[in-house]
Amino acid sequence: EDQVTQSPEALRLQEGESSSLNCSYTVSGLRGLFWYRQDPGKGPEFLFTLYSAGEEKEKERLKATLTKKESFLHITAPKPEDSATYLCAVRDSNYQLIWGAGTKLIIKP
Amino acid sequence: SAVISQKPSRDICQRGTSLTIQCQVDSQVTMMFWYRQQPGQSLTLIATANQGSEATYESGFVIDKFPISRPNLTFSTLTVSNMSPEDSSIYLCSVAGTAGVYTGELFFGEGSRLTVL
Repeated sequence: EDQVTQSPEALRLQEGESSSLNCSYTVSGLRGLFWYRQDPGKGPEFLFTLYSAGEEKEKERLKATLTKKESFLHITAPKPEDSATYLCAVRDSNYQLIWGAGTKLIIKP
Repeated sequence: SAVISQKPSRDICQRGTSLTIQCQVDSQVTMMFWYRQQPGQSLTLIATANQGSEATYESGFVIDKFPISRPNLTFSTLTVSNMSPEDSSIYLCSVAGTAGVYTGELFFGEGSRLTVL
């Protein structure tokens, strides 16, 4: 069964303390892995698409990487405004989108 | 990008009643998607709203419970019928980005938070 698991469920960091969020997946025929950011009371906001192992994408303090089994969202020197829930989703060979439950990131000043 | 407006943003409803959520997009789109997001859980696709034809429902969701209208290419409604406390959730409207529906780039409305007492 296709599955997406995100860890940890929640992560508290001090401002400037770099870390990584994990998205592990089991899917038949990956057609893309996607990262979104969701602020409280808002809908998810698209960040990145990754299609093949070894691919990397960067945006400001965020860098997403992909292997055959998982993706990491690295956050470098985070700021309080990076606090949000980060969602991962994968598209399978039937083009169905499967979502993880998210990691709630809290950056303390 | 697309700008999506949802109404209401939140509501508190009584058991057994129905609520209709509206979704307005600032550009014409072929497909609109309705999702449910329960606290601490993944987004779950309810249905795809197609203009000019019936919505396509995912497993576990039925038209009698979640009727959907799509009168034109910029507007859709989702009704949650005969509500129970288990329907308490955030309901999200979304559309695909300009790269096409089969990419993972979706734009979302701000959601409608529904509480059923």
